[in-house]
Amino acid sequence: GNSVTQMEGPVTLSEEAFLTINCTYTATGYPSLFWYVQYPGEGLQLLLKATKADDKGSNKGFEATYRKETTSFHLEKGSVQVSDSAVYFCALSSQGGSEKLVFGKGTKLTVNP
Amino acid sequence: SQTIHQWPATLVQPVGSPLSLECTVEGTSNPNLYWYRQAAGRGLQLLFYSIGIGQISSEVPQNLSASRPQDRQFILSSKKLLLSDSGFYLCAWSVPAGRNSPLHFGNGTRLTVT
Repeated sequence: GNSVTQMEGPVTLSEEAFLTINCTYTATGYPSLFWYVQYPGEGLQLLLKATKADDKGSNKGFEATYRKETTSFHLEKGSVQVSDSAVYFCALSSQGGSEKLVFGKGTKLTVNP
Repeated sequence: SQTIHQWPATLVQPVGSPLSLECTVEGTSNPNLYWYRQAAGRGLQLLFYSIGIGQISSEVPQNLSASRPQDRQFILSSKKLLLSDSGFYLCAWSVPAGRNSPLHFGNGTRLTVT
């Protein structure tokens, strides 16, 4: 079945450091890929998405490229801020009539000033 | 604009008591609706999803049930809570437009079963 594996956290960085959170997936067909962010005490928000191979999703300085050859969708940001501290979830969509997302376990990011 | 409301925000219930969590969506019609549970260290697990009134699909066998009495209302219930039901419950909706449609989440309910 479909699954998502993302790097174990927690990740602690200093402000302005470079961020990479790895995500790999297993899926049949051609899933869409997503990154969601969960700020403390809140629900999840869509951060970015990519719907086909080689697509790059980007938002708020974050980027991720859909790599079919390596089945990966790594999240990157060149210079993190304290306000980026949150839990990040990689997810893929299953095919079919409804948009059932399969999520990774989440990676907690803490950015220190 | 569309909004999703989920309540209560926190809940502490004894083992064996019933549960009812409610979720409503505004500003859209015939959304797909979802209940997820987020347990520590286990990510998000899809519990139920619904593509229409009275149409509920269960993803995993468990002590919970879901109902959709109105188009934009989704209720998560249990007759008798177990300790293992503790967790963070998230309601979500999406436009039924295919696999590219993102989910929009509520702010969640933190349930502690004691």
